[in-house]
Amino acid sequence: EIVLTQSPATLAVSPGERATLSCRASQSVSSNLAWYQQKPGQAPRLLIYAASTRATDIPARFSGSGSGTELTLTISSLQSEDFGVYYCQQYNAWPRTFGQGTKVEMK
Amino acid sequence: QVQLQESGPGLVKPSETLSLTCSVSGGSISGHYWSWIRQPPGKGQEWIGYIYYNGNTNYNPSLKSRVIISIDTSKNQISLKLSSVTAADTAVYYCARDWGEDYMDVWGKGTTVTVSS
Repeated sequence: EIVLTQSPATLAVSPGERATLSCRASQSVSSNLAWYQQKPGQAPRLLIYAASTRATDIPARFSGSGSGTELTLTISSLQSEDFGVYYCQQYNAWPRTFGQGTKVEMK
Repeated sequence: QVQLQESGPGLVKPSETLSLTCSVSGGSISGHYWSWIRQPPGKGQEWIGYIYYNGNTNYNPSLKSRVIISIDTSKNQISLKLSSVTAADTAVYYCARDWGEDYMDVWGKGTTVTVSS
């Protein structure tokens, strides 16, 4: 199965700063990758699919890029509501797999 | 707005069968795929399997021998059964709506299941 490695494990960012999260795949996932945000006690929320397409009602400050084995989620100007854990998930091959997550916390 | 709610016992004994239900409200179960995903403590998420509204299923090979996912369109519910559980099955279990057979666009909040005697 495809292993997704997310880095860093924890990212400390001040509000208004840029956050860059990485998802590296053990083999190509093409652009078949989604990103999710999760906050404590809440359901995961779909942010990005097809590597770079924002889901419904997701603010433009969230952007996805990359393809193949190196994919990135960028939050251009972090807002207070953006703190949480972010996961990538590939759907290029079965079974679908997830990364271990990057925790974005306040600096 | 579609909402999903997982329910079931929070504690299951080793070797027994874990049974969970996902209730769908605010939308129809028909026409969609529905997944179960779990997250063990301190680990990443693991996709368990999905079911299409017509009953077709697809399971993670790592769990396939122990998993049954079923659907009741009349009740708008999806069910998960995982047999012969061990402590390694302790996790938060989520149900989610699939977009196609690709990613999950709506998730429940999850329910915690602990396997312990």
